[in-house]
Amino acid sequence: SQELEQSPQSLIVQEGKNLTINCTSSKTLYGLYWYKQKYGEGLIFLMMLQKGGEEKSHEKITAKLDEKKQQSSLHITASQPSHAGIYLCGADKGTGFQKLVFGTGTRLLVSP
Amino acid sequence: EPEVTQTPSHQVTQMGQEVILRCVPISNHLYFYWYRQILGQKVEFLVSFYNNEISEKSEIFDDQFSVERPDGSNFTLKIRSTKLEDSAMYFCASTWGVGGYTFGSGTRLTVV
Repeated sequence: SQELEQSPQSLIVQEGKNLTINCTSSKTLYGLYWYKQKYGEGLIFLMMLQKGGEEKSHEKITAKLDEKKQQSSLHITASQPSHAGIYLCGADKGTGFQKLVFGTGTRLLVSP
Repeated sequence: EPEVTQTPSHQVTQMGQEVILRCVPISNHLYFYWYRQILGQKVEFLVSFYNNEISEKSEIFDDQFSVERPDGSNFTLKIRSTKLEDSAMYFCASTWGVGGYTFGSGTRLTVV
């Protein structure tokens, strides 16, 4: 079965700094999803990537799926306190409707 | 923006009791899911549901669990006889097949 490992597990950055979170898969990634979770709350969809080399951006968050399709990175530029939370990567088989397997999560704190 | 609605947000139940967690998926979505997250752990897939039947279930989803779509809008998860280890956040999700999975805000189930 597919396993997703995220790094780092937790991260504290100063407001205004850039950061990167990685998601590494034990198998080829076909559909890769990034979600944000505030502690004890629901999952908010950020981005979906499907093609090797694909890169998407939304506001100050950019996600990329590498060419070999076994790793994705999430980059936040000029972090703000509102970026704090738990970032989760999830993968499916690329069909868009099968189950998601989730990564271990990265807890981000942004200090003023 | 359309939402997946879950009720209740928090439920406390005694061990051995039956609980029903309720979800209203997005109206034009076709695929429905339940996931759970034990505190501090990964989000885990429980079951997927399509065309009024279970399409896939995990090892966690044993005979104590059942799902139902009793009408055109609700999607429920029933746990027949709750155990302490069923304490978790339960998330409902839905998709119409392309473009990402939308998650609800979750029901925090506490079994005492």
